[in-house]
Amino acid sequence: QQQVKQSPQSLIVQKGGISIINCAYENTAFDYFPWYQQFPGKGPALLIAIRPDVSEKKEGRFTISFNKSAKQFSLHIMDSQPGDSATYFCAASMAGTASKLTFGTGTRLQVTL
Amino acid sequence: GAGVSQSPRYKVAKRGQDVALRCDPISGHVSLFWYQQALGQGPEFLTYFQNEAQLDKSGLPSDRFFAERPEGSVSTLKIQRTQQEDSAVYLCASSLSTTHGEQFFGPGTRLTVL
Repeated sequence: QQQVKQSPQSLIVQKGGISIINCAYENTAFDYFPWYQQFPGKGPALLIAIRPDVSEKKEGRFTISFNKSAKQFSLHIMDSQPGDSATYFCAASMAGTASKLTFGTGTRLQVTL
Repeated sequence: GAGVSQSPRYKVAKRGQDVALRCDPISGHVSLFWYQQALGQGPEFLTYFQNEAQLDKSGLPSDRFFAERPEGSVSTLKIQRTQQEDSAVYLCASSLSTTHGEQFFGPGTRLTVL
């Protein structure tokens, strides 16, 4: 059972554009939602994370929007740069589970010049 | 150390062989996780240690998979009698916290079973 669904599978954005990746979850016990960035041959690295008590969190060019009632959250990358080209994973975890992460299937982002 | 390290980075095994994958977490990190990442997929949880105690092994796919962290630092994931479906990248992550702390991932070990 896929508990976190992610879309799109791949995304091509021009330099300077906005990249938007969406995730939906099923388990209402999830209470921590991080986004990870992974480059080829590397492990995932935390980009930004949000808890369900806020609807939006912004760090630099990266923003998470969170809709608790719809059980959806999204990552927005403003002013996308070629260096942002990577695979992005949304994830979720719940209290009491030592924060083991349930990941989405990933979005491969390519930012073109 | 500067980050989580894993060895070997690449491992090729013949079907039926046993393999051992090592993880060196960030010094002082209490929590240690193993994940399996199939090609083109997101990581999937395998097992979790808090110090030397294995508190959750619900993600281990079969009894051929075994993990240990005897002194609460270095961890080893062992796969016995490897099968082709075991081919994947095995990621180790560590965290300072036992709750929702940032998990720092190693580069992974790519296991190929022929």
